[in-house]
Amino acid sequence: QKEVEQNSGPLSVPEGAIASLNCTYSDRGSQSFFWYRQYSGKSPELIMSIYSNGDKEDGRFTAQLNKASQYVSLLIRDSQPSDSATYLCAVVGYGQNFVFGPGTRLSVLP
Amino acid sequence: KAGVTQTPRYLIKTRGQQVTLSCSPISGHRSVSWYQQTPGQGLQFLFEYFSETQRNKGNFPGRFSGRQFSNSRSEMNVSTLELGDSALYLCASSSDGLGTSGNEQFFGPGTRLTVL
Repeated sequence: QKEVEQNSGPLSVPEGAIASLNCTYSDRGSQSFFWYRQYSGKSPELIMSIYSNGDKEDGRFTAQLNKASQYVSLLIRDSQPSDSATYLCAVVGYGQNFVFGPGTRLSVLP
Repeated sequence: KAGVTQTPRYLIKTRGQQVTLSCSPISGHRSVSWYQQTPGQGLQFLFEYFSETQRNKGNFPGRFSGRQFSNSRSEMNVSTLELGDSALYLCASSSDGLGTSGNEQFFGPGTRLTVL
């Protein structure tokens, strides 16, 4: 069983819509959760970090964490073509190692 | 603040050779982690260094090794290269690798290694 799972996509949304990206994890002791954006040929860029249950908003991005259900999600409001990228979910467990999901490819259509 | 830097950006080697990659973290960051990224396996954790000590290690063979210097710069070495080592090698730094916000990792541009 993979430790961090994401739908590989591609997830296609029209410009201006809300994109919803989901991630589930297996380690119940995980305490830190991150979303990274990776453009093709580039390195991952940190978008959001979240550590406690609930929502965290930063501009057009909202991260949601539910530790009881072991999932974390990322909402992108007013999606733009420039948001087209692969979104990586990362979870830090007991050993403080980052475990990355396989990523979800998002395509925002003009 | 300058970001994480990695050198070289591109490298071509042949099987059996060894390679050393370098990473300079963000100023003030003391934790440096290394990752291998391939299309098939995604981003996989290699190891983490903090204050010149390896603090965590992933599931990679002993051919992969690293070290960290007193100025927090880190190097990664791969000996006896295999074709399967072709990948993007990424370095990430964080302030101390612990707790809330201290473990936010920021990635360098990566080194693209091709083994022929």
